[in-house]
Amino acid sequence: TQLLEQSPQFLSIQEGENLTVYCNSSSVFSSLQWYRQEPGEGPVLLVTVVTGGEVKKLKRLTFQFGDARKDSSLHITAAQPGDTGLYLCAGEVPGGSYIPTFGRGTSLIVHP
Amino acid sequence: KAGVTQTPRYLIKTRGQQVTLSCSPISGHRSVSWYQQTPGQGLQFLFEYFSETQRNKGNFPGRFSGRQFSNSRSEMNVSTLELGDSALYLCASSLEDRTSTDTQYFGPGTRLTVL
Repeated sequence: TQLLEQSPQFLSIQEGENLTVYCNSSSVFSSLQWYRQEPGEGPVLLVTVVTGGEVKKLKRLTFQFGDARKDSSLHITAAQPGDTGLYLCAGEVPGGSYIPTFGRGTSLIVHP
Repeated sequence: KAGVTQTPRYLIKTRGQQVTLSCSPISGHRSVSWYQQTPGQGLQFLFEYFSETQRNKGNFPGRFSGRQFSNSRSEMNVSTLELGDSALYLCASSLEDRTSTDTQYFGPGTRLTVL
């Protein structure tokens, strides 16, 4: 059983569309991170959210951490082909040494 | 500043063989973590090294091992390879102990294929 469930698994959209991807869990996380991974490369950290209800913006990307710190969402406005990639969420379960748990990711393709 | 480098980038081995992968962290980074990425299981934490000591370990069998040298470079070894070990092995470095607020920088990975 995956601790972090990401949805949708795949997303194929046209340039200019908006989209939201989700990261859900039954566990509470101390913090949650979003990464983007492009083919042939390792993941690159986009943002870390720590406080329940927190909203962070990174240009056209908006990240939200759920009030109960069990879920998060990533919203992209006016997607561009450069947004294409695998979006991964990763969480830290409170109380122990940091062993990050990753979701399987959402594979996004933005067509020009 | 150079990023995290991993060698080799691609590797093909047969079942039963062993393999050693290498990771050079960003200069000044003392923590190195290793991950296995597969389509079925996603990205899974293998272990983390800090100052030549294994600080954290994921849920992998003992065939997976690693070490870190005094210059923070790290190697991981997989013995008695199985078909299921085929994966992208990623290394990530960070400045200090791995914490949620300490940014990890990933290398491009080593693609291991076991035949």
